[in-house]
Amino acid sequence: AQKITQTQPGMFVQEKEAVTLDCTYDTSDPSYGLFWYKQPSSGEMIFLIYQGSYDQQNATEGRYSLNFQKARKSANLVISASQLGDSAMYFCAVQPYNQGGKLIFGQGTELSVKP
Amino acid sequence: DAGVTQSPTHLIKTRGQQVTLRCSPKSGHDTVSWYQQALGQGPQFIFQYYEEEERQRGNFPDRFSGHQFPNYSSELNVNALLLGDSALYLCASSFGDSRTGELFFGEGSRLTVL
Repeated sequence: AQKITQTQPGMFVQEKEAVTLDCTYDTSDPSYGLFWYKQPSSGEMIFLIYQGSYDQQNATEGRYSLNFQKARKSANLVISASQLGDSAMYFCAVQPYNQGGKLIFGQGTELSVKP
Repeated sequence: DAGVTQSPTHLIKTRGQQVTLRCSPKSGHDTVSWYQQALGQGPQFIFQYYEEEERQRGNFPDRFSGHQFPNYSSELNVNALLLGDSALYLCASSFGDSRTGELFFGEGSRLTVL
């Protein structure tokens, strides 16, 4: 079974500063993918970044980067230069490699960006 | 290019009734997955359809069933509604099994069971 833990129910960050959202995971699968999604109040889940378990380098997508520490089973999301539009719920998810499309999500972290 | 569209956006039902939710995938996508998101929780995987067949299923009772049509659109049916079925139901589409790619989600159908 897989499990995702996001220990920060809510986070505040000042506009233009960087913020780290924590995520730890538990899986017995040897191959898996890690995802981060953003969910604004509209409800739509927006894909941000992906990291494969065998990828050597940390993934980056624009202002988003994933701090992947495999031995610690940690996949933290770093958002640089926060913007007001970044205020939303953020979800970490794990997907076993042989079960494409079946994401196991954490409870989420609500990020609020202050002007 | 239209993304994933879901209907209806909101609906209210009473216990014991049945509901059907609809999803049209993003253009070019052939796989549809359904998720249930209770208030304050992360989404939970219900099932996935590919080539008009259920390919994977999460830990949901048989009251939850689905269908995929030849044009790749999909329906989620829930019978004998319970109060606990109140949630946001999200549809996600992809091409193939999206092992390394992202899923594209719709804005969801918010179901309230009274």
